[in-house]
Amino acid sequence: QKEVEQNSGPLSVPEGAIASLNCTYSDRGSQSFFWYRQYSGKSPELIMFIYSNGDKEDGRFTAQLNKASQYVSLLIRDSQPSDSATYLCAVNRAGGTSYGKLTFGQGTILTVHP
Amino acid sequence: KAGVTQTPRYLIKTRGQQVTLSCSPISGHRSVSWYQQTPGQGLQFLFEYFSETQRNKGNFPGRFSGRQFSNSRSEMNVSTLELGDSALYLCASSFLAGGGNEQFFGPGTRLTVL
Repeated sequence: QKEVEQNSGPLSVPEGAIASLNCTYSDRGSQSFFWYRQYSGKSPELIMFIYSNGDKEDGRFTAQLNKASQYVSLLIRDSQPSDSATYLCAVNRAGGTSYGKLTFGQGTILTVHP
Repeated sequence: KAGVTQTPRYLIKTRGQQVTLSCSPISGHRSVSWYQQTPGQGLQFLFEYFSETQRNKGNFPGRFSGRQFSNSRSEMNVSTLELGDSALYLCASSFLAGGGNEQFFGPGTRLTVL
């Protein structure tokens, strides 16, 4: 079982729709959760982070965390063609041997079509 | 504030050679993590430095090494290059150590081993 799992996609949504990206993790000690966006040929860009159960909203983005289910998601409202990218879920266990280490999923390719 | 910078952006080497990559973190950030990104393995953690000390290391052979200087700039070195070392090498900086904090990536160094 992979430590962090994401559907590879591609996930295709029409412009203006809500895109829902999902991520599950296996380590119950995980404490910090991040979503990165990576455009083709570019480096990952941090778009959301969440540390507590529940929802966290930032503009068109909402991150949702359910530690009991070991599940984290990212919702993108009013999707735009410029949102087309690979979305990477990353988790950190915190402390000790986890210093500075983010464990990434394989990423979900999102395509927003006009 | 300037972002994370990495040099060089592109490198072409031959098998058996060695290479040194450089990373300058965001001003004030003291933690630097290094990652290798390949199409097959995704993003994998190499190591993390904080205050000139390696605090964590991923599952890579000893040919991969690094260091951090007193100004928080970091270098990583790969000796005896193999074809499989061809990848995008990314560094990320964080204000605090511990890995549970947000990491910001540089543009990466694209290494090609022939």
